[in-house]
Amino acid sequence: EAGVAQSPRYKIIEKRQSVAFWCNPISGHATLYWYQQILGQGPKLLIQFQNNGVVDDSQLPKDRFSAERLKGVDSTLKIQPAKLEDSAVYLCASSLDRTALPYEQYFGPGTRLTVT
Amino acid sequence: KNQVEQSPQSLIILEGKNCTLQCNYTVSPFSNLRWYKQDTGRGPVSLTIMTFSENTKSNGRYTATLDADTKQSSLHITASQLSDSASYICVVSADTGGFKTIFGAGTRLFVKA
Repeated sequence: EAGVAQSPRYKIIEKRQSVAFWCNPISGHATLYWYQQILGQGPKLLIQFQNNGVVDDSQLPKDRFSAERLKGVDSTLKIQPAKLEDSAVYLCASSLDRTALPYEQYFGPGTRLTVT
Repeated sequence: KNQVEQSPQSLIILEGKNCTLQCNYTVSPFSNLRWYKQDTGRGPVSLTIMTFSENTKSNGRYTATLDADTKQSSLHITASQLSDSASYICVVSADTGGFKTIFGAGTRLFVKA
């Protein structure tokens, strides 16, 4: 079974520039998550999709971050404009269904973003 | 407020030794607790999952325990190997009709030869 795919793996941009990350979840997984992981901390949920609908985006800085999951499969996360504090690893995860056990989230390798 | 606290923040042990990592949580209503291993530059990988009725779960040299009364969990690593060097993250899910998930900050384990 193929895992969660993410690209790019690394990205370096200057502050005020824009950046986009892509995620392809495991086939058949209805739920998709984007996390921000700052160095030395645990992942923080940014947004959660159930199919192509948003379930939870309470911690997404909506003035600069946006995400979409067209057709309920792939997803993109965008930051515009980027700030220095956005430097982090952005993890994508997927699970079969957010309401059913086993509630197993499978993570991608992450995209390491450096904002200079 | 739903919180997950882990200790110690970091730990250095010699190869072959055992160690125990701690996780305390204040998450309600409790659904399940997971331990993840995160290697440097990789996404987290699930080690164990325990529901309310389970108080111990093993996965090879990893053994997790859960005390739902005191809201504490521990992850015991036996006969550590260099490849155990990683961050170990405790994750607790609350059953809010959609399983809200709260991540701990992790314990960074260094295993030295």
